[in-house]
Parts: sequence; structure tokens; C-alpha cells
Amino acid sequence: DAGITQSPRHKVTETGTPVTLRCHQTENHRYMYWYRQDPGHGLRLIHYSYGVKDTDKGEVSDGYSVSRSKTEDFLLTLESATSSQTSVYFCAISEGLADTQYFGPGTRLTVL
Amino acid sequence: QQQVKQSPQSLIVQKGGISIINCAYENTAFDYFPWYQQFPGKGPALLIAIRPDVSEKKEGRFTISFNKSAKQFSLHIMDSQPGDSATYFCAASIRGATNKLIFGTGTLLAVQP
Repeated sequence: DAGITQSPRHKVTETGTPVTLRCHQTENHRYMYWYRQDPGHGLRLIHYSYGVKDTDKGEVSDGYSVSRSKTEDFLLTLESATSSQTSVYFCAISEGLADTQYFGPGTRLTVL
Repeated sequence: QQQVKQSPQSLIVQKGGISIINCAYENTAFDYFPWYQQFPGKGPALLIAIRPDVSEKKEGRFTISFNKSAKQFSLHIMDSQPGDSATYFCAASIRGATNKLIFGTGTLLAVQP
């Protein structure tokens, strides 16, 4: 998976609890992305980063925040998880914004 | 103008048949069209990509056909096999620009033995 790891791979949590997902890359790519994938919706971009401390919103950013303190790490935080955030979350990386994206293995999050 | 419309949403093909997935776009500035393949429980992975300076690109049993005038591109899987059963995403972007890669909504392909 192009030197991309995600942790945890599976998580079950309760409504209202904070959750942080981690994406780690060893490719030194500038751009990193968080997507969620739900049946019938394909891949929807949550947030992306174009450098350390530089992030921007995607199409479904409400309820999510991100941080990137190092080139290799991109964190996705659900401040107060809701059942609608039950999904599979994918991290991706790319050299340029319009370049091929390489995806991590995904994190399956269940919010009860 | 930034959308990429993908069809069909799902597809069932018999082993040995041809699978065809279509994508259409509006932004004529798009100049990079990759296809991704995603197996259950895995992340999407780049399968094949094309630039609009060619009308067709073939890699093994997978072919991208590109129709610039119609603003459409398609993925053809020849001699489809059960191992090809996966979700396929098309995408488009403008290389070197400040626009992100735009994904289609995906096609779930099932190849029956």
C-alpha cells in the first residue's frame, strides 16, 4: 500500500466520545487526504493537507478536524462521534494535488 | 463542471465476458484519467491511467478507451474473471494544477463463474 499505514484498523466506540485516526506515510509525499467511504456514496473527501500545518476542507468536513504536525503523519479527529460517522475511512497521499493518489488499507469505525 | 459521472452503479458479468464501465465529464481542461480498483476490505489501488493525447491504452486484459469529443472514457475488462470482482472508480484531474483528483461514484463488478 505504497508505504501508508492507518491505525487503528478497526474501532468500535460510543456516541459522544472523541476518536482519533492516524495515517502514517513513508513516501515523503506533500499531500495527504482523508476520505470516508459509504455504500452508494463512493469516496467522499473529508479534509486534506498540503504541508505541515496546512490543511483544507473537503466536501464532508462537518464534525471532523485534522492536524499535521509532521510530514509523515496526518490525524483525523472526531470530536464527538455520532452514529452517522460510522464508515470506512481511507487515508491517501500524492506528490501533487492533481496527481495519482495512493491509498492506505482503511479504518473501519463503528459508532454505537 | 468538476463532476465525473460513472455508470453503471453495479454490473454482473459472466466469466469470460467483457465488462464495460463508463465515465463522463464536463471540464474540458481535465487531462489525466486514472482508474482505481478496490477489493473488499482493501484500499483503492491505481489500475490504469490515460492522457487525452491517445484514444486507447491497454494493459493486459484492461483497456481504457477515451473519446475526447464526447467527453467520455471507459474501462473495458476483456475475458472477465471472478478475481476481477471488485469496485472500480474512475477519476479525472488537471495535472500540475491546483485542483484535486475528482472521483466517480464507483461501480461494483461481480463476475460470475
